[in-house]
Amino acid sequence: SQTIHQWPATLVQPVGSPLSLECTVEGTSNPNLYWYRQAAGRGLQLLFYSVGIGQISSEVPQNLSASRPQDRQFILSSKKLLLSDSGFYLCAWSRATEVSGYTFGSGTRLTVV
Amino acid sequence: AQSVTQPDIHITVSEGASLELRCNYSYGATPYLFWYVQSPGQGLQLLLKYFSGDTLVQGIKGFEAEFKRSQSSFNLRKPSVHWSDAAEYFCAVGAANYGQNFVFGPGTRLSVLP
Repeated sequence: SQTIHQWPATLVQPVGSPLSLECTVEGTSNPNLYWYRQAAGRGLQLLFYSVGIGQISSEVPQNLSASRPQDRQFILSSKKLLLSDSGFYLCAWSRATEVSGYTFGSGTRLTVV
Repeated sequence: AQSVTQPDIHITVSEGASLELRCNYSYGATPYLFWYVQSPGQGLQLLLKYFSGDTLVQGIKGFEAEFKRSQSSFNLRKPSVHWSDAAEYFCAVGAANYGQNFVFGPGTRLSVLP
């Protein structure tokens, strides 16, 4: 069966510090991968998605970036965090060959102080 | 472009009462429709999905949803709510093109009174 791992679960970082959130998927090949952000009391905002290694599409311009160094690994990064980067970050995957819905990771609560 | 609206931001029901959460979508073709549930501090879990066929779909945890093309709706229902159903519920619409992204509604927060 397929599983998705996302870490860390909680992170408190000072303004201006770097960020690296990691997401890995097991049990499938060539998944579509997604990073979403959920601000307090708000819905889901798609940040990045990837349909293959090295292929990243950005939905919202900001100081975040994403990379996919391996087929089942998706990394969300920032060189310098802003207060506005605080939120709940969710990684998700979906099958590339059929529409099957997303499977989400358990999320990372990021607080920038 | 696809869009999803969930008219109710917050709904409160008593335990044991019936529940209906509304979802309306805008899409040019037959959409792929989903309902997800999110408990506080957790990721989203798929409740059910509609791709084609029978317009009444059954999901996990006793939920069901009905696709009504004429109303562009995909409302979620449960005959008897349990306290553990308190959560945020998201409706989503997807396209048939592989690699396309789903659009999520803003969510409806469900509170359950004892």
